[in-house]
This record gives sequence, C-alpha cells and structure tokens, in this order.
Amino acid sequence: NAGVTQTPKFQVLKTGQSMTLQCAQDMNHNSMYWYRQDPGMGLRLIYYSASEGTTDKGEVPNGYNVSRLNKREFSLRLESAAPSQTSVYFCASTLREGRTDTQYFGPGTRLTVL
Amino acid sequence: LAKTTQPISMDSYEGQEVNITCSHNNIATNDYITWYQQFPSQGPRFIIQGYKTKVTNEVASLFIPADRKSSTLSLPRVSLSDTAVYYCLTRDDKIIFGKGTRLHILP
Repeated sequence: NAGVTQTPKFQVLKTGQSMTLQCAQDMNHNSMYWYRQDPGMGLRLIYYSASEGTTDKGEVPNGYNVSRLNKREFSLRLESAAPSQTSVYFCASTLREGRTDTQYFGPGTRLTVL
Repeated sequence: LAKTTQPISMDSYEGQEVNITCSHNNIATNDYITWYQQFPSQGPRFIIQGYKTKVTNEVASLFIPADRKSSTLSLPRVSLSDTAVYYCLTRDDKIIFGKGTRLHILP
C-alpha cells in the first residue's frame, strides 16, 4: 500500500517547455487534488477531481490542465512553462466519509522553470 | 478563499502546551473542523478532526465551543520536532488551505 505517489520528484524546465506531473493513489478514493506551494506560503488549489470523469478549477488554474485518467490517476500538465510556475506541487487523495474529508498527500514534485 | 482565519505565526518553548486558535465564523451546520500539520519539504498530514466539544488523540486535542465559530488545537508538552505549519480547514465543495500558522518551538 504505497498511498499517494508522485513522479517526478524533481524537474527543471526552460520557459516554454511542457511537462506532465503524474499522481497515483491506491486507496480507492474518489476525490483527488492538485496544489502548489510557493516558498514560505500556504497551499493553493489548482484543480480537483471529485470523482472519476470530473474535474473542476480551483483557486489558481491558469496555465494548467488536468486529466483524471481513471480512479487511481490524476495528472497535471503545464503546456508552456513560465518562471512563475516554479513551485512545489502536491497531489492529494481524499477520503470522504459522510460530512468529513481527510486528505492524504504525496511527497511532492519540486519544479524549477528557468 | 479559505473560510478560516489563524494567527500567521507563534513561538513557544519545549515542554510547554501550545494552543492555536482558528476562527470560522461562517461554518455550516454540518461541517467538521480538520487540522493538518506540515513539516518542511513534506506534504501536510492529518492531525485531528472534530464537530463539537472536545476530541483527543495521541497527537493533539481539539476544543470546539458550542457556537462552533472557532476551534483550538492543543499540543501538549511540545518538542522541537513539533516545529511545523498547522492548518485549520472546514469543509466546502472543495478543500481550500489558508496560510496556516507557522509554529516555532525554541529550546
């Protein structure tokens, strides 16, 4: 039981390059989330997927796209990377039970855009 | 936007009890309050969750008054390893983290 896994752990891109961040969970959760965290700041929600086949924008969706490939996997794509997207990206899987939500986070992807 | 308000930072000393209060004036009737802890270079991890009165686990206690407009996370006898950012959240259609409280434990 690996929980939430993210790949890659580190990535350096040049401005204008594209890449996809991968996230997978083996906890059979319906909801998955992508956040970014800039140095010394809190987490900001980029996109989330409440269930397989659905995705919704969060607080800072511009410059990103997502794909909920199946129940296990939720990927985040940067089509044309910009230096402002330098950040740590966290994926989370969410257990929803009644009125409670508990999130389980991956180890993060540290992205630098030059 | 996050629906909660917390102090930006707090300092305390090893061995002390630390209380972090979170304001959530517009909490919905059925919402729970959840606290997460984040160490540097790691993702947040769940600490405790509650609806009303008091909840206690092996890590912390959570106190929620009758009006539920605030909650207090209590960390007993903190150590240096409790230095972290603590986030208070209430449920919404989506899960939004605020800036959290940066707790610094001094020797």
